[in-house]
Amino acid sequence: DTAVSQTPKYLVTQMGNDKSIKCEQNLGHDTMYWYKQDSKKFLKIMFSYNNKELIINETVPNRFSPKSPDKAHLNLHINSLELGDSAVYFCASSQDFLAGSKETQYFGPGTRLLVL
Amino acid sequence: AQTVTQSQPEMSVQEAETVTLSCTYDTSESDYYLFWYKQPPSRQMILVIRQEAYKQQNATENRFSVNFQKAAKSFSLKISDSQLGDAAMYFCAYRPNFGNEKLTFGTGTRLTIIP
Repeated sequence: DTAVSQTPKYLVTQMGNDKSIKCEQNLGHDTMYWYKQDSKKFLKIMFSYNNKELIINETVPNRFSPKSPDKAHLNLHINSLELGDSAVYFCASSQDFLAGSKETQYFGPGTRLLVL
Repeated sequence: AQTVTQSQPEMSVQEAETVTLSCTYDTSESDYYLFWYKQPPSRQMILVIRQEAYKQQNATENRFSVNFQKAAKSFSLKISDSQLGDAAMYFCAYRPNFGNEKLTFGTGTRLTIIP
């Protein structure tokens, strides 16, 4: 069984479009994350949710809007896509940090977004 | 702010040999975790090994081991008996043990295995 899954794996779209990437984890974790990996392979946090509540927002443009319908899902919606949004987006999850957890973050397979 | 530095953009090693990947980090915290993740061409981020800062003993996972030097803020990864399947990007990452749980990554080291 896949622990952290993302759909789609590949996404090719035109500039100006709106798109969503879905993420689901079946690990029972309370915290979920979105990371962006740019063309130089650099990985950087975008958002983090704990029990459906936003806890990290790392100066990401407001065209990016995460949505967490429940603690097992964290979707990423992107409005008015720009060329610079082309990247690989990774979802990850970990156990509840409020419990002082020492759990590792487990990553999904990534979604390669290409904006033309 | 915490930073993670990997000074070797690329490394190569002969199959069956040993290679060490370097990582240094900067933090004012005393309680934190360090990780090495592997990213093969499939793009999947795979946890290789993790180290808890309060533990003096270096972590080991089969052929993978770390040399954790807390005072020097150094966290190198040693891969013994290198195999072709070890070829990948390797990322060092840091996470504090409280509050903001984000991972801060280094820029990665691309490891090539020479048959």
